[in-house]
Amino acid sequence: IQLTQSPSSLSASVGDRVTITCRASQGIYSTLAWYQQKPGRAPSLLIYDASSLESGVPSRFSGSGSGTDFTLTISSLQPEDFATYYCQQFHDYPLTFGGGTKVEIK
Amino acid sequence: QVQLQESGPGLVKPSQTLSLTCTVSGGSISSGSFHWNWIRQPAGKGLEWVGRISSSGNTNYNPSLKSRVTISLDPSKNQISLRLRSVTAADTAMYYCARDDPSSYDSSAFDIWGQGTMVTVSS
Repeated sequence: IQLTQSPSSLSASVGDRVTITCRASQGIYSTLAWYQQKPGRAPSLLIYDASSLESGVPSRFSGSGSGTDFTLTISSLQPEDFATYYCQQFHDYPLTFGGGTKVEIK
Repeated sequence: QVQLQESGPGLVKPSQTLSLTCTVSGGSISSGSFHWNWIRQPAGKGLEWVGRISSSGNTNYNPSLKSRVTISLDPSKNQISLRLRSVTAADTAMYYCARDDPSSYDSSAFDIWGQGTMVTVSS
């Protein structure tokens, strides 16, 4: 299952609302997770089951979608949110990741 | 809390076997319904799932690597091992171990990650 993220990169300002999309090559129900990765660090889980917020993750992060189209939204971008974001599916083997979206400071 | 720590040689020669270990602290690798995964990331690139092993020892591998990879459990040391045979420069990457726990989610998620270990394939 291929996951296509868009955009591959974006520039935004603190306080902006940011939306990242992830499209699956076939339906995957809600078996999608989102991760944040900062330079030199391992990824960390933000969203699981497409729309559930992992414990300890700020509420400005939200996920939506099911089937083939998914969205990660950051409601008000904070300085610590500048990072790369990946979607990932658990519907079928091999488990796959999207190509990533790098969020940079405008 | 559960923590994962990868270790292994940072440099491997082409055609040789890459061997890495993930040591788990704060919990047993043999209990529960956990899966223990290896995920890799070439420098500046995206994430690639290598494979996983369940707490009961069942394995699944990425078909792109299946003929070369073996993942195993060592409950006596609370470790998960990765062996990748016949490596080439294309196997140069940061290698992460990560846990997923299907019992905690409707599907699953990689909820705990190690810090990663860099492996370079070069003569």
